[in-house]
Amino acid sequence: SQQGEEDPQALSIQEGENATMNCSYKTSINNLQWYRQNSGRGLVHLILIRSNEREKHSGRLRVTLDTSKKSSSLLITASRAADTASYFCATDASGGFKTIFGAGTRLFVKA
Amino acid sequence: GAVVSQHPSRVICKSGTSVKIECRSLDFQATTMFWYRQFPKQSLMLMATSNEGSKATYEQGVEKDKFLINHASLTLSTLTVTSAHPEDSSFYICSARGWGSDRADTQYFGPGTRLTVL
Repeated sequence: SQQGEEDPQALSIQEGENATMNCSYKTSINNLQWYRQNSGRGLVHLILIRSNEREKHSGRLRVTLDTSKKSSSLLITASRAADTASYFCATDASGGFKTIFGAGTRLFVKA
Repeated sequence: GAVVSQHPSRVICKSGTSVKIECRSLDFQATTMFWYRQFPKQSLMLMATSNEGSKATYEQGVEKDKFLINHASLTLSTLTVTSAHPEDSSFYICSARGWGSDRADTQYFGPGTRLTVL
């Protein structure tokens, strides 16, 4: 990808389980965002975490950011079949104005 | 939240024709818009940054004469794929960054345009 990698590339879990996705990036950033994309559809913005923040919550989502390791994680708790989608992290580089996406994780939640 | 629209949502064209895709910010002024391309099962690749009233900035490897970008107003950017070929078939997504307030920190994405070149 243009900026970094995500792992795992694909994740299959049972409904009710937690899903954790990781993202690594290459440059210093202003903020990091997570998006969801259903197959063949547009992006849905999930959460934004700034470079001076370490953790952020939104409903069943928990995002962490470790700028020393240039990495972030997205945790979805109590997953549902409707959470099945691709999840991307995206970063706004320091001093820059464009958003670069990671490779994405394809999550499949089995009912 | 902010809304960004794209038109058309889907287009099928013959090889050699040109296709124009519009990206509009419906409820805010977007000083900067971005164009991305996404191939199946892959991530979004930034193609270019479009600034209102000035020339677009293209990412390395993106042909500016192939992908013409015009950002004529604070609410409209267009991407024209010139002389399209089958390898240009892709999902094209635009995004808009707001001017001032929290909207400067978040990009708002359009629903995407699926281009199929026969």
